Amino acid sequence: GAGVSQSPSNKVTEKGKDVELRCDPISGHTALYWYRQSLGQGLEFLIYFQGNSAPDKSGLPSDRFSAERTGGSVSTLTIQRTQQEDSAVYLCASSLAGSSTDTQYFGPGTRLTVL
Amino acid sequence: GNSVTQMEGPVTLSEEAFLTINCTYTATGYPSLFWYVQYPGEGLQLLLKATKADDKGSNKGFEATYRKETTSFHLEKGSVQVSDSAVYFCAGGGIKAAGNKLTFGGGTRVLVKP
Repeated sequence: GAGVSQSPSNKVTEKGKDVELRCDPISGHTALYWYRQSLGQGLEFLIYFQGNSAPDKSGLPSDRFSAERTGGSVSTLTIQRTQQEDSAVYLCASSLAGSSTDTQYFGPGTRLTVL
Repeated sequence: GNSVTQMEGPVTLSEEAFLTINCTYTATGYPSLFWYVQYPGEGLQLLLKATKADDKGSNKGFEATYRKETTSFHLEKGSVQVSDSAVYFCAGGGIKAAGNKLTFGGGTRVLVKP
């Protein structure tokens, strides 16, 4: 079946603009994660959604970052007033049930460049 | 806090050589452990995993054993191929204090030359 998909694949924006990144998880997966991959910081957790529970936002680096998940499926990560340090590859992953032993399946990522 | 440490690369070796990438973790409890691989131009994909102590994960000729006594999950392959050139990430999941999110090591770039 289809894997995790993300759009856009590349996004170039100017400093101060807002951006929205989209993630479509694998159908039937109840858990959805956002991570960020950057040269200086490696792979970092951002936010986690599990079913109808309140999301775990503990990895969001600032209040300019927010995410929502509508209908338990598609998720959107929004970055307001982008800064150059936000440049990174943003990865989305999903897993079947959010269990500690579940495999997380990753999308291809969105490469964000802030000029 | 919880952390995963893996050896820095790049690691350059010849085809058919033996590969080891060290990985250790620091956590409260015993998390599930994973190795993910990122081939050039592709996304992260699971290579193997182990969910409890003494478990061995294996896939594509790679193996890693969950060693509780040394808090390690070293990745090994007896005879690498050029197609194994990639970046390898060790990750810990289900670490109690960290919820279900993965904590990644810094990644190890491996280059296999013919």
